Amino acid sequence: GQQLNQSPQSMFIQEGEDVSMNCTSSSIFNTWLWYKQDPGEGPVLLIALYKAGELTSNGRLTAQFGITRKDSFLNISASIPSDVGIYFCAGLVWATGGGADGLTFGKGTHLIIQP
Amino acid sequence: DTAVSQTPKYLVTQMGNDKSIKCEQNLGHDTMYWYKQDSKKFLKIMFSYNNKELIINETVPNRFSPKSPDKAHLNLHINSLELGDSAVYFCASSQGPTRGEDQYFGPGTRLLVL
Repeated sequence: GQQLNQSPQSMFIQEGEDVSMNCTSSSIFNTWLWYKQDPGEGPVLLIALYKAGELTSNGRLTAQFGITRKDSFLNISASIPSDVGIYFCAGLVWATGGGADGLTFGKGTHLIIQP
Repeated sequence: DTAVSQTPKYLVTQMGNDKSIKCEQNLGHDTMYWYKQDSKKFLKIMFSYNNKELIINETVPNRFSPKSPDKAHLNLHINSLELGDSAVYFCASSQGPTRGEDQYFGPGTRLLVL
């Protein structure tokens, strides 16, 4: 099946720093998504990207859909303590005949912020 | 007012037992999913149902049997539980099967098989 390579696996940063993480794939995705998971909770959608080259912001978060449709990055500016959590990229492929194959997730980036 | 709810939140059981996890969504969505998150936090889709019909069935042991009595519910029954089944199981729902951006996840069920 498809795989997403997400990096870095973990990040230890100071409050106020900017954060950057990315995902790459050997195959094309039609949609790229970025989720955040807090401890004991389910993933929550942060940003959805639909077109190659698309750049989308959500507050301090910015994500881009790579031009080749095989990669995406997520940036967080001026990190704050509540940004702590696991960030997942996910890709979606639209199946022929309608429907989709379900989300393929990266392995997550653990973000730890030191005050 | 929980959008996607799962019960139980925690489930501890012995090997060989049969158990069920329930999921309900009050969003009026047509599509529901089950995902498994392992100890390394890797999330993988298991099943997807659209309007009570199975549309995705990944390589999952046939000990796992999803059941969708109606569009708002997708339950997961697991027979003959094994140690390797220990994980967090997430239910999710979306308006339809083609747009991943509106996939809402439940809080998860933490299954521990002893």
